[in-house]
Amino acid sequence: GQQLNQSPQSMFIQEGEDVSMNCTSSSIFNTWLWYKQEPGEGPVLLIALYKAGELTSNGRLTAQFGITRKDSFLNISASIPSDVGIYFCAGLAGGTSYGKLTFGQGTILTVHP
Amino acid sequence: ETGVTQTPRHLVMGMTNKKSLKCEQHLGHNAMYWYKQSAKKPLELMFVYNFKEQTENNSVPSRFSPECPNSSHLFLHLHTLQPEDSALYLCASSPDGGRGYTFGSGTRLTVV
Repeated sequence: GQQLNQSPQSMFIQEGEDVSMNCTSSSIFNTWLWYKQEPGEGPVLLIALYKAGELTSNGRLTAQFGITRKDSFLNISASIPSDVGIYFCAGLAGGTSYGKLTFGQGTILTVHP
Repeated sequence: ETGVTQTPRHLVMGMTNKKSLKCEQHLGHNAMYWYKQSAKKPLELMFVYNFKEQTENNSVPSRFSPECPNSSHLFLHLHTLQPEDSALYLCASSPDGGRGYTFGSGTRLTVV
């Protein structure tokens, strides 16, 4: 089945630093999604990417859909303490009227003030 | 509040109990999903319902039984669970094509 490899597994950074995480796959996806999950909550969508090569920003977050459609990265600039959480990439293969998301393992982000 | 509401938020049940998880969405989405999130593992898709019809069952044991009476409500009936079934169970919904996927806050299930 499809698998996503997300790295790094965890990051410990100082407030103000930039963060970068990525996902790679052996399969092609038509949509890449980046989610953030905080303790006791479900994942919340941060950025959605729908086209190969697309670069999209949401405030301090920037994500790109790889040209090969098999990878994506997420950057967070000037991190702040509230960026703490688990970040997941997810791929949507498409071809159906519903969506089966394949998730990465997650990146646990800790930001020290 | 994301538009997808799950109840209860927390549930502790014995291995011989029967309980149900509930999910409700009023986003007008056509598809609803159950995912399982265990510690240190990626989210696992369990079931997909599209226009109330089950379209995916990801080899889930029969002790988990989904029910989708209409496009806005989804249930997960649980019976004779095992301790390894303890996890966060997430409901999600999406419109056609899967874009606009929205998750609920989940039910934290503990099987004792």
